[in-house]
Amino acid sequence: DAKTTQPTSMDCAEGRAANLPCNHSTISGNEYVYWYRQIHSQGPQYIIHGLKNNETNEMASLIITEDRKSSTLILPHATLRDTAVYYCIVRVEEYGIKLVFGAGTILRVKS
Amino acid sequence: DSGVTQTPKHLITATGQRVTLRCSPRSGDLSVYWYQQSLDQGLQFLIQYYNGEERAKGNILERFSAQQFPDLHSELNLSSLELGDSALYFCASSVASNNEQFFGPGTRLTVL
Repeated sequence: DAKTTQPTSMDCAEGRAANLPCNHSTISGNEYVYWYRQIHSQGPQYIIHGLKNNETNEMASLIITEDRKSSTLILPHATLRDTAVYYCIVRVEEYGIKLVFGAGTILRVKS
Repeated sequence: DSGVTQTPKHLITATGQRVTLRCSPRSGDLSVYWYQQSLDQGLQFLIQYYNGEERAKGNILERFSAQQFPDLHSELNLSSLELGDSALYFCASSVASNNEQFFGPGTRLTVL
């Protein structure tokens, strides 16, 4: 699995968009970008994933650069409940592959 | 609520003891994964089962073992416990078509 680099921590004002960057310069052509988050020792929660096109769901948007070497997770209107550790993971889209978690980014949403 | 259940929520035991953690996957999910999260190691994959058979192994100690039963629930057995085994243990399950894994609430193990 390709290695990812994320900032250690970020702050965001409540109601504003939270933009979480991730670098994955060694990503392979068949590797997807996945985002999970973990809220205070709860089980990690899947957010979104994508290959090369931008993706959006009810939780977030994922913007992947054209060269696929970096991506940004966007929470459009952050709330206090979005305070969590956010993990960017790249891996092949193959059933049953384990998730390899890095240190992630601690996002603090402040009122 | 992810639909994955884990019992017990908390477990306190002594060094040298043996414990069993239980996981029930989401309805219809055939694959179960176990992860360990400790303060110094972060979230680490231990082992995966698919429809009763071991599929992949990660950083799982020989003192640890797991199995998946015909009803698809899984158990993680930890024996000869050491202080360093104190951690959160998560179970996750997934369907065959994608890699979205659903995590349970975890079992917090404290070894004294």
